[in-house]
Parts: sequence; C-alpha cells; structure tokens
Amino acid sequence: NAGVTQTPKFRILKIGQSMTLQCTQDMNHNYMYWYRQDPGMGLKLIYYSVGAGITDKGEVPNGYNVSRSTTEDFPLRLELAAPSQTSVYFCASSAGGDNYGYTFGSGTRLTVV
Amino acid sequence: QQQVKQSPQSLIVQKGGISIINCAYENTAFDYFPWYQQFPGKGPALLIAIRPDVSEKKEGRFTISFNKSAKQFSLHIMDSQPGDSATYFCASQARYYTDKLIFGTGTRLQVFP
Repeated sequence: NAGVTQTPKFRILKIGQSMTLQCTQDMNHNYMYWYRQDPGMGLKLIYYSVGAGITDKGEVPNGYNVSRSTTEDFPLRLELAAPSQTSVYFCASSAGGDNYGYTFGSGTRLTVV
Repeated sequence: QQQVKQSPQSLIVQKGGISIINCAYENTAFDYFPWYQQFPGKGPALLIAIRPDVSEKKEGRFTISFNKSAKQFSLHIMDSQPGDSATYFCASQARYYTDKLIFGTGTRLQVFP
C-alpha cells in the first residue's frame, strides 16, 4: 500500500519557470490537500479538494493552481515561479467525516533561484 | 478565529524526562484535535488525537490533555527518548464543517541521552 506519493522529491526552478508537482493516493480518499511548510511557520493550506472535479482555495493560494480530474490524482501547478515559492510542499489525503487523520506524502523540496 | 497557537518553538529535554507542548485555539467550532509527528525529510504522521468530549487521552507514553473552557490542549511525552526527537505539530479541525486541518507552527523537540 503506497499511500500518498509525491514527485519529484527535489526541484530547482528559475524565476519565471513553471512546473507541476504530482500527487497520487491509492486509498480511495475523497479529500485531498496541498500544504506548504516554511521554517517556523507550520503548514499552510494552499488548495484542497473534496472530490473529483471540486477544488477550493486555502489560506495561501496565490501563484498556484490545481485540478482534480480523478479521485487518485491532485496535481499542483506553479506558474511563473517566484523566490517566495521556495518551500517544502506536502500533499495529503483523508477519508473525511468520522475517519480521522490525514495521510501525508513525503514532500517536494522546491527552490526558486 | 482560525489560528492555532503553539508553544514552545523548540524544546530540549534529557532522556527520561517529560516533554510538554502547548496549543491554544480560538474557533469554538473545532471538534477534533490531533497531534502530528514529523521526522526530518518526512511528511507529518498522525501521533494521537482527541475529541472535546473527553479531557485526556493516553496512548503509551503520549498523553493529550484537553481543557475545553480554556480552549487549550497539550501533548505530554513521558520518559522521553532520543527517538522522540522530531518536530511536533498540533492541529484543529471542524470535521463536519470544512474538514480542513489548521496547524500550529510546530515545536522542535530534541531529547539528549
């Protein structure tokens, strides 16, 4: 059981470049989330999805876009990368409701130079 | 009202000692309070969680104490071990409202032999 798989693990982008962070889960979870983690700042929610075809903004959505065409996949798109987007990105999923807890992926460390 | 305040930012404990991390929340709609443990290079993993209908929950050496009237909860790690060295995040969630976890800023725990 793979859980939540994120790719790539590391990436260096130049300012203005674009990229997609991939996230796949095999637990048939309806809820999926993208967080970014910065030192001393905890985890901030970027976007989330409650099911295929449904997405919504979190606390820090500017500069990012998402799509959810299947239950399994929830890619995060960065357009026109900026140094402020240097961070560690985590994807997570949950079954929601009474099924407690998020399952997190192992993260993508992104540096924008 | 969406903030979760966590303290201390870092904690150094000797092996065998008690580690205590505190969190406070504002939103009275929160009804689920988990703690996540994160090792370097890994995603956060659910450690223990509590619902507001109980004041304490214990799992092995880990205990959550919950004070609903003060809107505070804490994690106690008894007989702390070097393997407990990690970053700990408290979180709060209004499960039937948004299902989004709001995280504290994290506490880096170091346990020395």
